[in-house]
Amino acid sequence: SQQGEEDPQALSIQEGENATMNCSYKTSINNLQWYRQNSGRGLVHLILIRSNEREKHSGRLRVTLDTSKKSSSLLITASRAADTASYFCATDADSGGSNYKLTFGKGTLLTVNP
Amino acid sequence: AAGVIQSPRHLIKEKRETATLKCYPIPRHDTVYWYQQGPGQDPQFLISFYEKMQSDKGSIPDRFSAQQFSDYHSELNMSSLELGDSALYFCASSSLTSGRRETQYFGPGTRLLVL
Repeated sequence: SQQGEEDPQALSIQEGENATMNCSYKTSINNLQWYRQNSGRGLVHLILIRSNEREKHSGRLRVTLDTSKKSSSLLITASRAADTASYFCATDADSGGSNYKLTFGKGTLLTVNP
Repeated sequence: AAGVIQSPRHLIKEKRETATLKCYPIPRHDTVYWYQQGPGQDPQFLISFYEKMQSDKGSIPDRFSAQQFSDYHSELNMSSLELGDSALYFCASSSLTSGRRETQYFGPGTRLLVL
């Protein structure tokens, strides 16, 4: 089953508005990361939030993590047309060892209309 | 800052051929991961290496193999290619710093098309 699942699958907003994307996961995690992907391009790391953190900010990005509900949200404020991309959450399951693999959600396709 | 380098960026192969994808991690990163992303899909973990040893294995077909070399670069070898292998293949690298798992940084990907 999919570890991380994004909601909504697609979101269309006007420039200047805020965009909120949600992610749910199933197992215990060490951290949760958000990535951005422009169509068919590489994955760009946006922000990492650890399991003992509840909120983190980076520029226009705000990420929250609720480990009791196994969910996270990504808020992009004052959106711009250049923010148009797919956004994925990825979780690092607490499987022990000295390394980890990421399990990605299905992604949210964000379209910001000028 | 140096990023993850992947080569080639694009590759076209015929069915049943072989392909080798290369990944050069960020300097001083000790862990390399390979992911496969099919059209319209989320990335799926294939395999990872830590300090040149295979550390985890995901949904990697038996036709695929990978290794990490002494200079930490990694190669993904794909044999008997099938149409369904057409995808974007990402390599990512990270470091284990003071016992904490750090961010995985992704390369630009290799787009493989099997005809």
